[in-house]
Amino acid sequence: EVQLLDSGGGLIQPGGSLRVSCAASGFTFRSYAMNWVRQAPGKGLEWVSGISGSGDSTNYADSVRGRFTISRDNSKNTLYLQMNSLRAEDTAVYYCAKAPGNFHRNPGDYWGQGTLVTVSS
Amino acid sequence: EIVLTQSPGTLSLSPGERVTLSCRASQSVSSSSLAWYQQKPGQAPRLLIYGASSRASGIPDRFSGSGSGTDFTLTISRLEPEDFAVYYCQQYGSSPITFGQGTRLEIK
Repeated sequence: EVQLLDSGGGLIQPGGSLRVSCAASGFTFRSYAMNWVRQAPGKGLEWVSGISGSGDSTNYADSVRGRFTISRDNSKNTLYLQMNSLRAEDTAVYYCAKAPGNFHRNPGDYWGQGTLVTVSS
Repeated sequence: EIVLTQSPGTLSLSPGERVTLSCRASQSVSSSSLAWYQQKPGQAPRLLIYGASSRASGIPDRFSGSGSGTDFTLTISRLEPEDFAVYYCQQYGSSPITFGQGTRLEIK
C-alpha cells in the first residue's frame, strides 16, 4: 500500500527557514517523480515544486523560486522541501504528491496528509 | 502560464441528481493533460480523472470526464451523499502546473 507521511510543519517567523519532509513507502520511490502542492487556509491548490525520480531535474513555481529547494534521498525514501526567507503568504498546508511516472508534470495519484506551515511573528 | 477557470463557483444539488462541472483553460491544454480532484474538509485531494477522461484506480463509474483543447467537463451521473465536496481541475501539460479555483458542491 502506497503511503506518504508529511511532517516538519510549524510556526516560523517571517524571514525564517523550515524544512518539511515526506516519508514514502509501498512503492519503488526512486522510480517516481514527486511534487509539493500547497493550500493556504480556505483557499485553493497551488503547485510549488517538482523533482524527477533520480533528483537530477527540479522545477519551481515563480512564487518560490530562489527561496525554496526541493530534494530527495532515495536511500531513505524521503522527499524534502527546504524553505528559506519565509513570508506570511507562504502560510499553507504543504502536501507531497506522487506522480505516476518519472516526470514531475503529471497528476498526483497519491498524496500525503499535509503539514501546516504558519509564518507569523 | 495556463489559467484554469472553473464554473460555477458553488452548486447546491440533491442526492440522485446529475451534475456537470466546467473547467476552461486560457490556452489549449496539450495532450489533454487535464486532471480532476475531489477534496473533502480536512483531507488531501483525491485524484478522480486524468488525461481528461481516464478514471483513476478505484473511482466509481458515476464519475466521467470529457473535453479537449480549452474546454473540459466532469460529470457525476447520480450524486451520492459522499460526493459533496470541492472539485478542482489541474493542467499538467505545460509549465507551471496550474489548478482551477475549485467548484464547491453542496447539499441542497
